Amino acid sequence: NAGVTQTPKFQVLKTGQSMTLQCAQDMNHNSMYWYRQDPGMGLRLIYYSASEGTTDKGEVPNGYNVSRLNKREFSLRLESAAPSQTSVYFCASSAGQHLTGELFFGEGSRLTVL
Amino acid sequence: GNSVTQMEGPVTLSEEAFLTINCTYTATGYPSLFWYVQYPGEGLQLLLKATKADDKGSNKGFEATYRKETTSFHLEKGSVQVSDSAVYFCALMTTDSWGKLQFGAGTQVVVTP
Repeated sequence: NAGVTQTPKFQVLKTGQSMTLQCAQDMNHNSMYWYRQDPGMGLRLIYYSASEGTTDKGEVPNGYNVSRLNKREFSLRLESAAPSQTSVYFCASSAGQHLTGELFFGEGSRLTVL
Repeated sequence: GNSVTQMEGPVTLSEEAFLTINCTYTATGYPSLFWYVQYPGEGLQLLLKATKADDKGSNKGFEATYRKETTSFHLEKGSVQVSDSAVYFCALMTTDSWGKLQFGAGTQVVVTP
């Protein structure tokens, strides 16, 4: 059982470069999320998708865009990377907004912006 | 707005010691409360949860009780093992948050043999 799969696991970018983080889940979940994890700040929500076809901003959306490609896939794009976006990014999924609160996380993508 | 405050780490313990990680919250209404755990190199996974006041969540020897009067959800384990070394996150979800979790900063726990 793959669960939530993120790619790439590691990436180094130069300031101004663009990239897309890919995420796919095989649990038939309705909702998907992108969080970033920074030391001392826990996880902060970047964007989420409550269901296929919808996306909404979270706590820290600036500098990011997302696409809910289909029910399985939810990608995060950095159009012009900045050093402040150096972080570990986690994709997560859940059954839906009326859920139990259980999110299933991928293993994370460590991004360094020089 | 909603917020979660956890005790700072790292917390270093010897094997078989008692563990407590404090968590307090601020939220409107009646949130559900969670503890997530992140083992080295992995994503977070749900450890336990409580959805209403006085509920006790438990799993893998860990327990936490939802205390509305003190707005707290402290995590405890009576006898830790080296394998419990991880980062622990307290989190809350309100009924109007559309399934989104608000996380605390995390507390690193290191258990030595």
